[in-house]
Amino acid sequence: GNSVTQMEGPVTLSEEAFLTINCTYTATGYPSLFWYVQYPGEGLQLLLKATKADDKGSNKGFEATYRKETTSFHLEKGSVQVSDSAVYFCALSEGGGADGLTFGKGTHLIIQP
Amino acid sequence: DAGITQSPRYKITETGRQVTLMCHQTWSHSYMFWYRQDLGHGLRLIYYSAAADITDKGEVPDGYVVSRSKTENFPLTLESATRSQTSVYFCASSDFDRGMNQPQHFGDGTRLSIL
Repeated sequence: GNSVTQMEGPVTLSEEAFLTINCTYTATGYPSLFWYVQYPGEGLQLLLKATKADDKGSNKGFEATYRKETTSFHLEKGSVQVSDSAVYFCALSEGGGADGLTFGKGTHLIIQP
Repeated sequence: DAGITQSPRYKITETGRQVTLMCHQTWSHSYMFWYRQDLGHGLRLIYYSAAADITDKGEVPDGYVVSRSKTENFPLTLESATRSQTSVYFCASSDFDRGMNQPQHFGDGTRLSIL
């Protein structure tokens, strides 16, 4: 079956540091890939997505590139802010997402001023 | 306000009791989903629905029942609650009428504790 593996953390960084959160996946076909973010006490929000190999998703300074050869979708940001503190989930779908998403375990990110 | 709302936000109950978690969305999205979130597991799909009166099992459906008599509502029922069902439950909706790979819009969750 499908699966997503990501570092769980917590990951603690100082403000303005460079961020990388690794995500690798296993899928039987050609999935679409997503990053969702969860702020304390809230539901998940879509951060970015990529639907085919070599696509780059980007939003709010975050980027991730769909690498089929390494089955990866690592999340990066050049300069993090305290407001980026949250839990980040990597996810995949096959068939366009109509039968739900497969999530990683989530990475708790803490940014210190 | 438009959006997706879950109720209650918090619930404490005892083993063996029936409990229903409510989910309501105002967008008229065709697809709705129920996930549970547990430490060390991320989110796992319980059930989903493509339209009114159409539901399908997800990864962890045992012990749960869903219904969808109206497009905007998708209640989740635990018929006889067990301690292993203590979790945070999230409802989500998506508008696949606009094409595939649409984002899922999540509610704020229901934190359920079973004693």
